[in-house]
Amino acid sequence: AQSVTQLDSHVSVSEGTPVLLRCNYSSSYSPSLFWYVQHPNKGLQLLLKYTSAATLVKGINGFEAEFKKSETSFHLTKPSAHMSDAAEYFCVVSDVAGRRALTFGSGTRLQVQP
Amino acid sequence: DAGVIQSPRHEVTEMGQEVTLRCKPISGHDYLFWYRQTMMRGLELLIYFNNNVPIDDSGMPEDRFSAKMPNASFSTLKIQPSEPRDSAVYFCASTTGTLRYEQYFGPGTRLTVT
Repeated sequence: AQSVTQLDSHVSVSEGTPVLLRCNYSSSYSPSLFWYVQHPNKGLQLLLKYTSAATLVKGINGFEAEFKKSETSFHLTKPSAHMSDAAEYFCVVSDVAGRRALTFGSGTRLQVQP
Repeated sequence: DAGVIQSPRHEVTEMGQEVTLRCKPISGHDYLFWYRQTMMRGLELLIYFNNNVPIDDSGMPEDRFSAKMPNASFSTLKIQPSEPRDSAVYFCASTTGTLRYEQYFGPGTRLTVT
């Protein structure tokens, strides 16, 4: 079975400082991994995805993530937080090969202080 | 592109009533997913379709839940009878076989059962 563990349920940073949201995954297959963002009362938006190409993935709004197979991690980073980054972030792993459903982590709420 | 469309955006109903949630996937997408989001359980897959055929409904919580996809541009999720514990945000998502697991989400329907 596949799963993702988001290590922090809540992260608070100051505007202009780096962001690190941690995610570890477990999968029997070569997984596809994603980060989705959900702003309050909104749907989920794809931030970035890893699909076995380059291990460093760049996404929208200055976010990036690095796939580290040896550490089974896919942490999300951003050099400088902006107030508009405040949202819930979900680390997601593709389901078993051939089954296109996604398995979501429990989410990390990012708070950005002025 | 209009994106995934869901209706209604908000639904308040009394226990025992029938509730029908609607979804229009992105044109050309041949996979459609229904998810439920609650504070307690996070985001969980209920059912998904491929080419209008239900592929996996193992996430449907009870026989009170049913989903249909009569054509490529429309799907419904029905709860009959509804119960207070069904209160949640229900998301519809779609994708196509050419996208490796990336899914596009609708804005969600917030259901409140009193």
